[in-house]
Amino acid sequence: RKEVEQDPGPFNVPEGATVAFNCTYSNSASQSFFWYRQDCRKEPKLLMSVYSSGNEDGRFTAQLNRASQYISLLIRDSKLSDSATYLCVALNAGNMLTFGGGTRLMVKP
Amino acid sequence: DAEITQSPRHKITETGRQVTLACHQTWNHNNMFWYRQDLGHGLRLIHYSYGVHDTNKGEVSDGYSVSRSNTEDLPLTLESAASSQTSVYFCASSERDTAKGEETQYFGPGTRLLVL
Repeated sequence: RKEVEQDPGPFNVPEGATVAFNCTYSNSASQSFFWYRQDCRKEPKLLMSVYSSGNEDGRFTAQLNRASQYISLLIRDSKLSDSATYLCVALNAGNMLTFGGGTRLMVKP
Repeated sequence: DAEITQSPRHKITETGRQVTLACHQTWNHNNMFWYRQDLGHGLRLIHYSYGVHDTNKGEVSDGYSVSRSNTEDLPLTLESAASSQTSVYFCASSERDTAKGEETQYFGPGTRLLVL
C-alpha cells in the first residue's frame, strides 16, 4: 500500500463546477500536509498547506481529518487554468516529503 | 530574484556512462533534495542533504550519489547509467519558517534524462 494515495482521475469537469479531491495517508506520524499543483512537463508548485482547522485561499479549500487520515481539496468555480495534476503531500519525520501519485483535473469549456 | 535551476534540461546518454545532473539554488537554503518522477510512481526521493558535507540516502538511492561542497549546489551523479534510470529528475530546496512552523520545498524545472 502506498503511503499517500490519490485517485489518479482524470476528473473532467465543466467550467464553473465545484470539484473535490481526496487523499489518504497511512503514516499516522505525518506532521504536515500540502497540496502541490503540477502542470504538464513542469515542476510541482506549492498550492497550499493543509491545517487541522481547514484553510481557504480564494476558490481553494483544504481540510485535514487526522482521525480518518485523509486530506481533501475543494475547488470552486473551476477555471480552464485549473487544469493540472494535483499532488497530495505528507511531511514526515526528518522533513521528508512523501508524494501521492497525483490527481489529474481537466476543466472544459 | 532567488531561484533554483537545473542543468541540463534534457540529456540523452548511453548505458554505462557516468552522468551528472546539476542543481543550483540562490536562496541559501540548507536543505536540498533530489527526486525522480515516473508514471505510476509519482515523485520518489533519491538523496537529500541538510547542509554542507551532509548527504543522506532516500527511497531510491541505488545507482546514484550526491555531494554537497557548498550551500548552493547539490549535483546528482549516475555512476553507470541504466535504462531504468530514464526519468524526469527534480531538485528541490527548503528552509524552515520557524515563525510559522512550516517548511516549504521549492522545485527546480526538472531534467529529462533518456538512457539508451
